Amino acid sequence: DAGVIQSPRHEVTEMGQEVTLRCKPISGHNSLFWYRQTMMRGLELLIYFNNNVPIDDSGMPEDRFSAKMPNASFSTLKIQPSEPRDSAVYFCASSLVFQDIFSGANVLTFGAGSRLTVL
Amino acid sequence: GQQVMQIPQYQHVQEGEDFTTYCNSSTTLSNIQWYKQRPGGHPVFLIQLVKSGEVKKQKRLTFQFGEAKKNSSLHITATQTTDVGTYFCAGGNAGNMLTFGGGTRLMVKP
Repeated sequence: DAGVIQSPRHEVTEMGQEVTLRCKPISGHNSLFWYRQTMMRGLELLIYFNNNVPIDDSGMPEDRFSAKMPNASFSTLKIQPSEPRDSAVYFCASSLVFQDIFSGANVLTFGAGSRLTVL
Repeated sequence: GQQVMQIPQYQHVQEGEDFTTYCNSSTTLSNIQWYKQRPGGHPVFLIQLVKSGEVKKQKRLTFQFGEAKKNSSLHITATQTTDVGTYFCAGGNAGNMLTFGGGTRLMVKP
């Protein structure tokens, strides 16, 4: 398996532009997570999907951020319009979540990340 | 909501010295996981602890889960330059949600 695949790896854009980040989770995983990492705030969970359904989006900063998972093998995180404070590394992670928490549930496999710079 | 704190934030050690990072949760956890992120890389899963008082070892790394399942530690014996990176704990709750600590950045001087 190629692991979690994210694109683009690097994105430099100007304030006000739309940014779309993409993620392909590991085949067979039923949960997908978007995280944002900055020096100031560390790793922040933005949104969590289970079986393609958004379960918890309380970490999404504001209405400029939206995420979709149209099928089990693809997800997008969109920022429109982008602002300089959105500059960060955005990680996608996937996992296989079991009902039994003692089954090693929820071990995350992270993608390589998308480094976003908004000028 | 659940909060997971890690100390220290940064640690400089001389190669060969030991290193320990501590993780404390505001609530009782169902499990705790540890991840390592190399500079410029992404977090990579190291281990999961589930049982109260559990201790697991991976070569020079020793992981402990507290008796009350609210704290954990990672100890590295005789650090090497390959140990450089940021170590994150992540606490799991009954809903299978993980809350990451702020991480401890380890720097090793050769």
